Amino acid sequence: GQQLNQSPQSMFIQEGEDVSMNCTSSSIFNTWLWYKQDPGEGPVLLIALYKAGELTSNGRLTAQFGITRKDSFLNISASIPSDVGIYFCAGRNTGNQFYFGTGTSLTVIP
Amino acid sequence: GAVVSQHPSWVICKSGTSVKIECRSLDFQATTMFWYRQFPKQSLMLMATSNEGSKATYEQGVEKDKFLINHASLTLSTLTVTSAHPEDSSFYICSARLGAVSLNEQFFGPGTRLTVL
Repeated sequence: GQQLNQSPQSMFIQEGEDVSMNCTSSSIFNTWLWYKQDPGEGPVLLIALYKAGELTSNGRLTAQFGITRKDSFLNISASIPSDVGIYFCAGRNTGNQFYFGTGTSLTVIP
Repeated sequence: GAVVSQHPSWVICKSGTSVKIECRSLDFQATTMFWYRQFPKQSLMLMATSNEGSKATYEQGVEKDKFLINHASLTLSTLTVTSAHPEDSSFYICSARLGAVSLNEQFFGPGTRLTVL
């Protein structure tokens, strides 16, 4: 099935740096979700977005639902070692179909 | 709240045997559960949507006779991999939808690592 385009594919950053990743789709989405997956575990929901333009924070994480409804970004401020993992965007389009992004692997160097 | 469990967390089986994986929503009722498959360093691929009391809806390319799904109650869905072969080795993850369709938040189980020898 369709997958959302997520970038970057991987990131290697120093502890304390900010991180930004985004997700784009060729079609309009009604819902954007951001998940984090640790090795050998299932994804854990971080942030859910339901309205175009919506900006939502969860601690050091901030995500926005793009105005065009075709994209979303996730920012992590002041990264720490436990932020390591794979981050996935996901969304539901106007046809009520649910898709996952290709994932962004984050490595935080202490 | 919104906890989803999976059992077993890992399983090793011989080629040709069948394996059943359980997915439970522990603190909510889930009319819809989803089954995903994930290969190493890849994203989750939706296999099927499981609706309580009705037949599952399979994604294109997923063999319904090989991956049997049963959603007998509002808190339990099972995936049975029949006549498993080494190429079926993968990480299988279920999720359950909490709330109305319009919200579509999915909460995931911890996954089941299947290794077929």
